[in-house]
Amino acid sequence: DTGVSQDPRHKITKRGQNVTFRCDPISEHNRLYWYRQTLGQGPEFLTYFQNEAQLEKSRLLSDRFSAERPKGSFSTLEIQRTEQGDSAMYLCASSLGTVGDTQYFGPGTRLTVL
Amino acid sequence: AQSVTQPDIHITVSEGASLELRCNYSYGATPYLFWYVQSPGQGLQLLLKYFSGDTLVQGIKGFEAEFKRSQSSFNLRKPSVHWSDAAEYFCAVVLITGFQKLVFGTGTRLLVSP
Repeated sequence: DTGVSQDPRHKITKRGQNVTFRCDPISEHNRLYWYRQTLGQGPEFLTYFQNEAQLEKSRLLSDRFSAERPKGSFSTLEIQRTEQGDSAMYLCASSLGTVGDTQYFGPGTRLTVL
Repeated sequence: AQSVTQPDIHITVSEGASLELRCNYSYGATPYLFWYVQSPGQGLQLLLKYFSGDTLVQGIKGFEAEFKRSQSSFNLRKPSVHWSDAAEYFCAVVLITGFQKLVFGTGTRLLVSP
């Protein structure tokens, strides 16, 4: 299966620690998106890449968050100095990059900050 | 403000009964419209999408949705619900202009009773 994969699936950390998540998109997809989903809410957009370029960031993405997509392949999302409010499901999606195309989602990384 | 509204947080339907999940959007122009389903431990899966043309859209798993411009609605329907349909359903929109981020509603949790 060549769907979107994310690693790890679960992460428990203590407040103040740094965490990094990885997303591997579908191989031919140019666009990669990160979303965050908290309990009882729909996913909210965080940032997106067109190939290796990060083209848009949400105001939700504070300066403690950083995302990269080196060489336009996999992407990483790092959260520094985690806070309890960072506890959420972090979802990655990828798409071909045409107008209105389908975004395919990975299973997500569930972060719990103690 | 631009938004997507799913007025029903929970819906319980008997197995074999029909289903309608409501979705309304508030945008200046008609966006692209999507319905996704999220099962526990699974990523978001696209059920169907609407861009233009026929306002009744067929999707996977026997689902369909009808776009009504006059009501700014995109309701999801299924004539006969199966127990495996129990999940969280999200309506989402993408603006025709811009970088294609998905804006999700808060979701409707479907429970299926025997």
